[in-house]
Amino acid sequence: KAGVTQTPRYLIKTRGQQVTLSCSPISGHRSVSWYQQTPGQGLQFLFEYFSETQRNKGNFPGRFSGRQFSNSRSEMNVSTLELGDSALYLCASSPRTGGEAETQYFGPGTRLLVL
Amino acid sequence: QKEVEQDPGPLSVPEGAIVSLNCTYSNSAFQYFMWYRQYSRKGPELLMYTYSSGNKEDGRFTAQVDKSSKYISLFIRDSQPSDSATYLCAMSGNQFYFGTGTSLTVIP
Repeated sequence: KAGVTQTPRYLIKTRGQQVTLSCSPISGHRSVSWYQQTPGQGLQFLFEYFSETQRNKGNFPGRFSGRQFSNSRSEMNVSTLELGDSALYLCASSPRTGGEAETQYFGPGTRLLVL
Repeated sequence: QKEVEQDPGPLSVPEGAIVSLNCTYSNSAFQYFMWYRQYSRKGPELLMYTYSSGNKEDGRFTAQVDKSSKYISLFIRDSQPSDSATYLCAMSGNQFYFGTGTSLTVIP
């Protein structure tokens, strides 16, 4: 089975711009989560989507949004970029349907640099 | 209080040593426990996961869960320089909760 894929892998933007990141989960996985990872804060949960519905949301401002399509592919969008948004953005897919899941699998990440 | 606590290290050991990595957690409802390995500038890679209490072994790696103490461990036997990475523990609840990661360096 192919793993989780993310595009693009690297991105450079300037403050005030917006960005859209894409994630394709493992085939058959309907749960997709997004995380922001920075050296100082570690792995921070952004949101989780399941069957096109946002199921959980982390503590991030409304500039961070996401969506999921009927084929389970997901996108996240960051509007009005700030310097502090520079980070590795990770997507993870899980076979979970309801309740707990045994695990999730990560993609390689998109490294975003905001200048 | 954080859901998951993990000593960030850094931890430096000689090649061949046994490494012990640990996490504590606060939510007794967690049932699934995971360990990920993350190399620099890469996404986390799942090493192993366990359900409830007990041990699980996979090659040189052993995961241990003690639910009564809310404590999980990952042991690496015969550590290799290629094991140098950051190790993240995680637990599954209504979402996934991650430790901050422990940086490990294995010196040849």
